[in-house]
Amino acid sequence: AQSVTQLGSHVSVSEGALVLLRCNYSSSVPPYLFWYVQYPNQGLQLLLKYTSAATLVKGINGFEAEFKKSETSFHLTKPSAHMSDAAEYFCAVSFNDYKLSFGAGTTVTVRA
Amino acid sequence: EPEVTQTPSHQVTQMGQEVILRCVPISNHLYFYWYRQILGQKVEFLVSFYNNEISEKSEIFDDQFSVERPDGSNFTLKIRSTKLEDSAMYFCASSYGGENTEAFFGQGTRLTVV
Repeated sequence: AQSVTQLGSHVSVSEGALVLLRCNYSSSVPPYLFWYVQYPNQGLQLLLKYTSAATLVKGINGFEAEFKKSETSFHLTKPSAHMSDAAEYFCAVSFNDYKLSFGAGTTVTVRA
Repeated sequence: EPEVTQTPSHQVTQMGQEVILRCVPISNHLYFYWYRQILGQKVEFLVSFYNNEISEKSEIFDDQFSVERPDGSNFTLKIRSTKLEDSAMYFCASSYGGENTEAFFGQGTRLTVV
């Protein structure tokens, strides 16, 4: 069965520093991969998705993720963290059945 | 921008009572979902619904759960006899369908069973 593993339940970065959130997937067939963000007291918002068209995917708010098949990874990065990036981030995988399997989530805090 | 709306935002219920969580998906979407997130745990798939029937359900979605699209706009999740362990955030989502189309999520209903 497909699954995702997010390494690190909590990441703390300084404002202006690189944000790196790790996600590895397990799948026997090419997956569709997503990153969602959840701000406090809000729902899940799509940041970006991998559709097999390009391995480097750009999303909203300056985030991007790179699909690496050889490493079965889909890590999320942002070159310069902003205070407004403080949130919980979820990696998710799906196949043609459209349902999502989520990772456990990574909480990002940004230090001034 | 179209969005998925869920009501209520917070529901407190006594153990053994029935609850209905309501969702209005995006109007031209064809697939509807319920997910839940128990505090401190990952978001889990409960059920997907397409063409007026359940297309897939997880092992969590047992006989106490049911879903319905009663009037072509609302999508509801009913829990017949709530248990303490049903306390969670419940998310409704919808998607248009087709390969790699993303699901749009509502803001969630926090269900607290006491």
